[in-house]
Amino acid sequence: AQTVTQSQPEMSVQEAETVTLSCTYDTSESDYYLFWYKQPPSRQMILVIRQEAYKQQNATENRFSVNFQKAAKSFSLKISDSQLGDAAMYFCAYRARYAGGTSYGKLTFGQGTILTVHP
Amino acid sequence: DTEVTQTPKHLVMGMTNKKSLKCEQHMGHRAMYWYKQKAKKPPELMFVYSYEKLSINESVPSRFSPECPNSSLLNLHLHALQPEDSALYLCASSQERRSSYEQYFGPGTRLTVT
Repeated sequence: AQTVTQSQPEMSVQEAETVTLSCTYDTSESDYYLFWYKQPPSRQMILVIRQEAYKQQNATENRFSVNFQKAAKSFSLKISDSQLGDAAMYFCAYRARYAGGTSYGKLTFGQGTILTVHP
Repeated sequence: DTEVTQTPKHLVMGMTNKKSLKCEQHMGHRAMYWYKQKAKKPPELMFVYSYEKLSINESVPSRFSPECPNSSLLNLHLHALQPEDSALYLCASSQERRSSYEQYFGPGTRLTVT
């Protein structure tokens, strides 16, 4: 079974600085997707960034980038130039690309990391 | 447009009430999902619909009854709920083709069972 581990329950960063959130996962699949989702307090869960396992290049979306280490099964999120609006709970998630039956479409989530941004 | 809408935003119901949650997406996504989320926890999958057919039921109690009337709409019918069912209920959808497998979430319905 796939598992996703976020070892940092809470992180904090000063505004305008850089922070990295960690995520490791375990799978026997070779073709899969990894995601980072952001959920501000009492607000909607938003997709931040996605990574396809067969792509060597690390994904980047504006101030958000990932460090994808497939062999190490590591998928960390770097937030540059942190802003107050980045404060949220961040979830790392995994899904196999071709999962059928009882695993169809299933996302496996980590336990989340609460990010606080200090002004 | 990656919008999933959910109504109502908030719902308070007694244990003998019957109510329904509604979810809608107009992105042509093939799969739709219901999740339950407790505070500061990740979402827990409840149901998956693929092409309007129920694909997965994660052993959810029968007091939760999903329905997919068409490819854009997903309902969750609630009956005889318990106080421990109070949570944020999230709907999501995904395209499931052309390397597009990410799920897009709605804002959720915050349910309180009294």
